[in-house]
Amino acid sequence: GAVVSQHPSWVICKSGTSVKIECRSLDFQATTMFWYRQFPKQSLMLMATSNEGSKATYEQGVEKDKFLINHASLTLSTLTVTSAHPEDSSFYICSARTPGYTFGSGTRLTVV
Amino acid sequence: AQKITQTQPGMFVQEKEAVTLDCTYDTSDQSYGLFWYKQPSSGEMIFLIYQGSYDEQNATEGRYSLNFQKARKSANLVISASQLGDSAMYFCAMREGTSGSRLTFGEGTQLTVNP
Repeated sequence: GAVVSQHPSWVICKSGTSVKIECRSLDFQATTMFWYRQFPKQSLMLMATSNEGSKATYEQGVEKDKFLINHASLTLSTLTVTSAHPEDSSFYICSARTPGYTFGSGTRLTVV
Repeated sequence: AQKITQTQPGMFVQEKEAVTLDCTYDTSDQSYGLFWYKQPSSGEMIFLIYQGSYDEQNATEGRYSLNFQKARKSANLVISASQLGDSAMYFCAMREGTSGSRLTFGEGTQLTVNP
């Protein structure tokens, strides 16, 4: 079946630095990728939708200059958290639109 | 207004018993899809079951079944013969429209299976 590989699984970074999270579709072409953020014991909140070759569509309240999404190829979508701060610490997970939805394994980001 | 509502923040069940996790939804679309996912503490999202709005039969997948009551806009998940490994967070989600649409998630229910 479809597999989305997400890396890194976890990352600790210093405040003010940038972190890149990658999601690769291993055996299919992902035209659309969804990026979610999840705080502890809360639901998944959609941050943005990316379509290959075009600009991402961000949800209301999500800073597009802080959360840079690139979907330059049909097999790779990236989320870069720029100038990360402790409040950006969260679980980030991607999901590719297949006939259903295939999720990556998630990235736990801790900003210290 | 909430599109997906899960009113049970936490549920407890004895091993080998059945448990029902509630989910109600709100949409004006005629075509939509309802999903249930399991999220263990590792964080991965495990797809359990899907029900399309036009499906007349309730979906079943092994020990999972979906009690779909369209008129009441509810899509409850039934887990039969609970196992210790079923302890996890469970999310109900909805896709509105037919294609390219994102999933909207409920708040989740934390299920604990007791031995």
